[in-house]
Amino acid sequence: AQSVTQLDSQVPVFEEAPVELRCNYSSSVSVYLFWYVQYPNQGLQLLLKYLSGSTLVESINGFEAEFNKSQTSFHLRKPSVHISDTAEYFCAVSEDGNKLVFGAGTILRVKS
Amino acid sequence: DGGITQSPKYLFRKEGQNVTLSCEQNLNHDAMYWYRQDPGQGLRLIYYSQIVNDFQKGDIAEGYSVSREKKESFPLTVTSAQKNPTAFYLCASSIKSGTEYEQYFGPGTRLTVT
Repeated sequence: AQSVTQLDSQVPVFEEAPVELRCNYSSSVSVYLFWYVQYPNQGLQLLLKYLSGSTLVESINGFEAEFNKSQTSFHLRKPSVHISDTAEYFCAVSEDGNKLVFGAGTILRVKS
Repeated sequence: DGGITQSPKYLFRKEGQNVTLSCEQNLNHDAMYWYRQDPGQGLRLIYYSQIVNDFQKGDIAEGYSVSREKKESFPLTVTSAQKNPTAFYLCASSIKSGTEYEQYFGPGTRLTVT
């Protein structure tokens, strides 16, 4: 069965500093991987996804994630965070492109 | 504008009452999903439907029921059998096949049962 582990429940970081949110998954087959972002009391928005091809995927707002098959990881990184990046981030995996299994989430707190 | 609407945003009920949460999408997506979100637990799948008049249980279906009579609508009923119904409920939809594997989420309904 699939599972997703987000290793940090909260990550505090100062504005303009780099950040990495860690995600590891387990699955016996090839998977699709996603990062979603959730602002308080709102739904989830897709940040980026890995389906196939290049293992490094990027979002339009400066986030990137790298699929590492040997380490079964899909860590999310940003070289310089802004106050507006404060939110909860969820890593998710899917084996069939339909059902998603989510991690517990990581709250990113950007401090000025 | 295309999207998913969930209503109401906040819902309050007394224990022992059934309550139905609305989810409507105008994205022409085949598949729809209901998730429950609790603090520190991520999202857990309650039910999903890949086609009209068909749906499957997710990981935590006990105490919930759904229907899918129309492509654009997927209401969720939280019954009195659900032991801990207070939570944030999220509806999502996706295209059934092809290269699109993204799920689009609604704004959520926060249900409080006292």
